[in-house]
Order: sequence, then structure tokens, then C-alpha cells
Amino acid sequence: AQSVTQLGSHVSVSEGALVLLRCNYSSSVPPYLFWYVQYPNQGLQLLLKYTTGATLVKGINGFEAEFKKSETSFHLTKPSAHMSDAAEYFCAVSVWGAQKLVFGQGTRLTINP
Amino acid sequence: GAVVSQHPSWVICKSGTSVKIECRSLDFQATTMFWYRQFPKQSLMLMATSNEGSKATYEQGVEKDKFLINHASLTLSTLTVTSAHPEDSSFYICSASALTGGVQETQYFGPGTRLLVL
Repeated sequence: AQSVTQLGSHVSVSEGALVLLRCNYSSSVPPYLFWYVQYPNQGLQLLLKYTTGATLVKGINGFEAEFKKSETSFHLTKPSAHMSDAAEYFCAVSVWGAQKLVFGQGTRLTINP
Repeated sequence: GAVVSQHPSWVICKSGTSVKIECRSLDFQATTMFWYRQFPKQSLMLMATSNEGSKATYEQGVEKDKFLINHASLTLSTLTVTSAHPEDSSFYICSASALTGGVQETQYFGPGTRLLVL
């Protein structure tokens, strides 16, 4: 079975600072990995995904993530935080495509002015 | 592309009534749709997976007779909460995925429906 652990339920950074949201996964077969963002009272928006190929994945809004098999990690980064980045972020894993996603518990990102 | 809509976005109903929530894929054909439930400040809990034209597959602990799912076409799935009670109040989110090269790669999520049962 697959599982996802997001380290830190709440991360707070200053505007302009580096954003780092951690995600570690467990999977017995090559995983597909996703990061989604959720704004208050809204659904989830796909930020980026890793399926196969290049391990550094670039997404929308300046976010990127790197798949590190040896560390079973898929951390999300953004060089410079913006106030509009404040939201809940979910890491998810699936196998054989997205037939069934397993989500982490989420990380709430707060941006300080 | 890959837009998923839900209707209604908000619904308030009396205990004992049934509520239907629609999920539509607007610009692609969704071979599979998923229904999730999200409690405040928590992650998403998968309730069921539905494939067009076949019965939904429910996750363990989800009552099939209470949460009726119909996936009648490649662009529409409905979730009906039957005889709703206050404990059914929650945020319900659907997602849809399509085959790409024979593989379902990405789930695209709707905006969610907040249900409040009085």
C-alpha cells in the first residue's frame, strides 16, 4: 500500500523567502507523485506532477519539486514566496496512473509580510 | 483545459431529506470520477470511485445506500446523500480523470460542495 507523510502541518515564511514543503512517500512500485493546492472553501488545483522521466518537475506559479527515489521524497519548493501563495498544500501518491490517490495530511502555508 | 465543475456550491437542507450533487467534466471525457469528503482542517477522504456505465466502488466504511453514486455519462457523475443527518455535513469534492495513452494520469478536482444539514 502507498502512503504519504507531509512533515509539518503548518509552515510560515516571510514574503520573498524560500518556500520548502516536505513530502515523503512509501510505495512498493514506481509512484506517480502530485502536489495540489487548496484555497479556502475551494477544490484542489494541480500544481505539478511526476510520472516518469525528468526528476525535477516545474509547475505553475513558480513552484517546482524534485523526485528523489533514494530518499523517497518529493519536496515542493519556490524560491520567493508571495502573499498569494498562502493556502493548504497536499502531496499525493498513486500507482498505475491516478486510479486512486493517497493524500498526505496537508501543510498550511502562511506568508508573513 | 481539464475543468471540472460542481453544483451546487452550497446547500443547506433539513435532516431527513436527500441532496444531489452534480460533478461535470466540462472539456474532456472522464472515464473515471471520484468522490471525496473533507472535514475541517483535514485531508481528503476518498469515498468512492465510479467508472462510466458501471457501479461505483466504495471505500471501506462508506455506506453504499446512504451515498448513491451514478455515473451515467462520460461528463457527469452525481452523488446523492439520502436521508441526510447533521453528521453528514461536510465539504464534498469530486474529481475526474481521463485516459492518456491508456493510462489515467491526473485527477482534476471540482470546486467542492459544502453541505450543511440542520
